[in-house]
Amino acid sequence: EIVLTQSPGTLSLSPGERGTLSCRASQSVSRNYLAWYQQKPGQAPRLLIYGASSRATGIPDRFTGSGSGTDFILTISRLEPEDFAVYFCHQYGSSPLTFGQGTRLEIK
Amino acid sequence: QVQLQESGPGLVKPSGTLSLTCIVSDDSISTNNWWNWVRQSPGKGLEWIGEIFHTGSTNYNPSLKSRVTMSVDKSKNQFSLNLRSVTAADTAVYYCAKAPIVVIPSAFSYMDVWGKGTTVTVSS
Repeated sequence: EIVLTQSPGTLSLSPGERGTLSCRASQSVSRNYLAWYQQKPGQAPRLLIYGASSRATGIPDRFTGSGSGTDFILTISRLEPEDFAVYFCHQYGSSPLTFGQGTRLEIK
Repeated sequence: QVQLQESGPGLVKPSGTLSLTCIVSDDSISTNNWWNWVRQSPGKGLEWIGEIFHTGSTNYNPSLKSRVTMSVDKSKNQFSLNLRSVTAADTAVYYCAKAPIVVIPSAFSYMDVWGKGTTVTVSS
């Protein structure tokens, strides 16, 4: 099973700042099948990025995914108030599919 | 845009069977998608339970495989989850989610549409 470790656990930033979230896999993610999701309280996860760097439909271009192999990054270039939420990475390259434990992005 | 809606009992007794259904709206279930179940609990985070294709082909999480059965009902455009011998550790929010098959063949894909989730508590 691939274990995904996200860091930091909590990130405190101000609107307009740049956010950098990390996801490290315990072994290489097959075909870079790595996705990122945003989740707000009481809501389901929302797909942001798939294939490590492809933006999902309707996702603003301030969200950028990068990385390969075992190290992946989600960058939010200029934080908007609605971006403060929990972010999860997810690998779907091998079974069992697994998720990271999440990074909470909070307003500083 | 396809929509998903989970339904089922919110309370299940220990050692009983958790049964949930996901209704697929605004698209046919008989398309190139894997239909997934994922659960989320404070203790274990997000956990993939398994997936089913409209042909009935399934992939399950090995950690739950001995207790899980998934099925598809094409006539009702829905798919279902049965989880047997539940304990308090199975208490969670259960989501159904669609995963489009973009590379053929591919056993897995990212989940692009999710239901709102349903809370299931295991308690006597």
